[in-house]
Amino acid sequence: GENVEQHPSTLSVQEGDSAVIKCTYSDSASNYFPWYKQELGKRPQLIIDIRSNVGEKKDQRIAVTLNKTAKHFSLHITETQPEDSAVYFCAASIGPGGGADGLTFGKGTHLIIQP
Amino acid sequence: NAGVTQTPKFRVLKTGQSMTLLCAQDMNHEYMYWYRQDPGMGLRLIHYSVGEGTTAKGEVPDGYNVSRLKKQNFLLGLESAAPSQTSVYFCASRQLAGASYNEQFFGPGTRLTVL
Repeated sequence: GENVEQHPSTLSVQEGDSAVIKCTYSDSASNYFPWYKQELGKRPQLIIDIRSNVGEKKDQRIAVTLNKTAKHFSLHITETQPEDSAVYFCAASIGPGGGADGLTFGKGTHLIIQP
Repeated sequence: NAGVTQTPKFRVLKTGQSMTLLCAQDMNHEYMYWYRQDPGMGLRLIHYSVGEGTTAKGEVPDGYNVSRLKKQNFLLGLESAAPSQTSVYFCASRQLAGASYNEQFFGPGTRLTVL
């Protein structure tokens, strides 16, 4: 089955700086890669996602890049703000029609924004 | 729309007891999922359903059973609870088709402690 590795487990950056979180996946059939933000005691919430036919996607201060050849994808947050502090999860999925369904998650990155 | 709801929010069980967690969604989604989240482990898929009356095993199905008798509800059962099942359980759903068909919407979670 799919295996998703996520690094780093903890990331501390100064407010206003950029943060980068990296993930690798093992199954070349995976074609959907979402990123979730989870605040303490809350549900995971989708912040951005990318499909395998796209190399990069941006949404204001957040961007995701995908390298299918190397099987890795990254989350980039620019101009970080205190409200960006949370745990971020990457995930991968084969998607509908590909057999097994559901998301395989990385173990998460605790992002700390230092004032 | 309430989105995805879960009942109960918290529960404490003794080893060997049984219980059922209820997930309900009012978005007419075809797909529903049960995940568990343990500290440092990310979310792991327990079981999922691609439609009313159908269920399938995920990554960690042992000790759990599920049923999808109605499209809007997905039940997760623990027949004989064990301390290893202490976790936070999240339900999620997604639609079959459309522009954002991959996106999974999560419920608020159920925190289960097995003593």
